[in-house]
Amino acid sequence: KQEVTQIPAALSVPEGENLVLNCSFTDSAIYNLQWFRQDPGKGLTSLLLIQSSQREQTSGRLNASLDKSSGRSTLYIAASQPGDSATYLCAVSGQNFVFGPGTRLSVLP
Amino acid sequence: DARVTQTPRHKVTEMGQEVTMRCQPILGHNTVFWYRQTMMQGLELLAYFRNRAPLDDSGMPKDRFSAEMPDATLATLKIQPSEPRDSAVYFCASGLEQGGTPSERTEAFFGQGTRLTVV
Repeated sequence: KQEVTQIPAALSVPEGENLVLNCSFTDSAIYNLQWFRQDPGKGLTSLLLIQSSQREQTSGRLNASLDKSSGRSTLYIAASQPGDSATYLCAVSGQNFVFGPGTRLSVLP
Repeated sequence: DARVTQTPRHKVTEMGQEVTMRCQPILGHNTVFWYRQTMMQGLELLAYFRNRAPLDDSGMPKDRFSAEMPDATLATLKIQPSEPRDSAVYFCASGLEQGGTPSERTEAFFGQGTRLTVV
């Protein structure tokens, strides 16, 4: 059974810092990995999808990497802004679609 | 503007009542997921459909929950009878699996959720 964990559970940083969020999964037989953003009381917004054959994907200030063999993915956020404050979730697609518990990010002005 | 639409957005009901939540997947998508989100458990997969057929509903309490896809444009999640512990946000997501099989290009798109409160 696939298990997904995320570290740290919460993170608070001053504006402008670069930061890394981590996602680990136990079963490397995945099709892809998605990173989502969730604002309080809102739905999930897809940020990046990394296919299992890819090593990384970039979108603006976001860069996500994938090391399938070690069961790890990282989401790098450059030059963080207060508007980046949200919960970030990773999800792996294998036999079904399994989410991690999320990292709650606060970027302080 | 292609998006997953869920109704209602909010629902307050009394314990024992039937609750029906609806989801309109993105046109052309052939997979639908139902998730429940709570503070304690996070996002839990309740049901997974491909081409309207249920593939995995192992996460769903069978005695009171049921999920169906009457047609390709509508998915429903019903709870009967509802209980206070069912209070949560229920999300629907859809995706396109080319050739009817999962692929590394399959991306899931989520609706805004239905916030259910059972009193």
